[in-house]
Amino acid sequence: KAGVTQTPRYLIKTRGQQVTLSCSPISGHRSVSWYQQTPGQGLQFLFEYFSETQRNKGNFPGRFSGRQFSNSRSEMNVSTLELGDSALYLCASSLGSGGTGELFFGEGSRLTVL
Amino acid sequence: GIQVEQSPPDLILQEGANSTLRCNFSDSVNNLQWFHQNPWGQLINLFYIPSGTKQNGRLSATTVATERYSLLYISSSQTTDSGVYFCAVGRSGGYQKVTFGTGTKLQVIP
Repeated sequence: KAGVTQTPRYLIKTRGQQVTLSCSPISGHRSVSWYQQTPGQGLQFLFEYFSETQRNKGNFPGRFSGRQFSNSRSEMNVSTLELGDSALYLCASSLGSGGTGELFFGEGSRLTVL
Repeated sequence: GIQVEQSPPDLILQEGANSTLRCNFSDSVNNLQWFHQNPWGQLINLFYIPSGTKQNGRLSATTVATERYSLLYISSSQTTDSGVYFCAVGRSGGYQKVTFGTGTKLQVIP
């Protein structure tokens, strides 16, 4: 059974650009959630999608957005990149939504903003 | 929102030693997980343990939900156990459903 797949694994962008990250969940999982990890702030919840609907959103500016497709794959987008957006972005899939199911994480996408 | 605190923040062990990592949470939760973050950043599932005790090889975990804490035991530590250990709690209702602790950075030296 394939795990959670995130692409790309590494990317470098410059300030002001935008970036799109992709996450394919475990087959059969309908919930995808996104987290940002930085050395200073730890692991912070971005948002969760379940059956193509955003269920929950963390405390991030509107530059951070996401969506989920009918096959449960999810993308997150960050527009007008800032230096502080440099981070490891982790995606997790789960059978249930809203913190009720076990989370399984992908390997992450490491974003560097110059 | 719910607060999740882990202790100790840093831990250095000699190979072969045992250790206990603690996770305290400020409110009732529906589930709790322990993860090990490897050097490449991936979070590896260790235990899904809303309550009770589980064991997997040299690792075991206990969650006492009524007292709002969980413990992760590592016995006969190995250098490959090095990394950061996180607990994460989930609860229904509220704005943020899953909250991660601040982590315990473990270094096992030969």
